[in-house]
Amino acid sequence: DGGITQSPKYLFRKEGQNVTLSCEQNLNHDAMYWYRQDPGQGLRLIYYSQIVNDFQKGDIAEGYSVSREKKESFPLTVTSAQKNPTAFYLCASSILDKTYEQYFGPGTRLTVT
Amino acid sequence: GQQLNQNPQSMFIQEGEDVSMNCTSSSIFNTWLWYKQDPGEGPVLLIALYKAGELTSNGRLTAQFGITRKDSFLNISASIPSDVGIYFCAGRGSTLGRLYFGRGTQLTVWP
Repeated sequence: DGGITQSPKYLFRKEGQNVTLSCEQNLNHDAMYWYRQDPGQGLRLIYYSQIVNDFQKGDIAEGYSVSREKKESFPLTVTSAQKNPTAFYLCASSILDKTYEQYFGPGTRLTVT
Repeated sequence: GQQLNQNPQSMFIQEGEDVSMNCTSSSIFNTWLWYKQDPGEGPVLLIALYKAGELTSNGRLTAQFGITRKDSFLNISASIPSDVGIYFCAGRGSTLGRLYFGRGTQLTVWP
C-alpha cells in the first residue's frame, strides 16, 4: 500500500530540546510539505521541497529546519528557538505536475512542556 | 500568507439534513480544493476544482468554483453520522506548490 507515514503519533519533549519529526512516503512523489495545525486554525505552511536537496520556507519557518536528502524522506526539526512548539504537525506530498493535490500523512502531535 | 475566509466555523445538524459551507478569498485562485479531516488524522482530499464555474460531485458532495475565482462552495446532501469532521477549503494561487487553507468548518451530525 502506498502512503505517507509520520512517526511517532504522539511526542513529548521538555522545553529547550530539539526534536525531529519523521515523514516518509512511498508514493514516488517529488514534492513534500510540512504544515502546522493549531486548534481552530487552518493549516499553515512551514517548509516545502520540490526536489531532493532543495527546499523553501513557508509562512512560519522560524524555529524550524528541514532536510531533503532522499526523495522519500522529509524530516522536520523543531528547534528550541520555536517559541510555541506544541501543535499538530502534518506532512504532505504531491506529484510535481499537480502540487495542488496534496496527500497528507496521519500527523504527529507534539507536546512541549 | 493569503487569507481564506471559511464559513460557518461550526455546524450542528441532524442526520438527513443538507449542509452548505463556503470559502472566500481576497485573491484570485487557479484551483480550489476541499478536504475533510477526521479527529487526530490528516486531511483527505474530497474534491478538486480547476476552472471558474466548474461544478463537481463526489457522491453526496458537490462543490463549485466561483465565477469570480475568489470563492468556492461545498454542499453535502442527506448527511450521515460519518460526515462528522472538519472540512477545509484550500486555494492555489500563482506560486508553484503553495496552497492556502481556510480555518475549517467543524461539522457535527446528530442522529
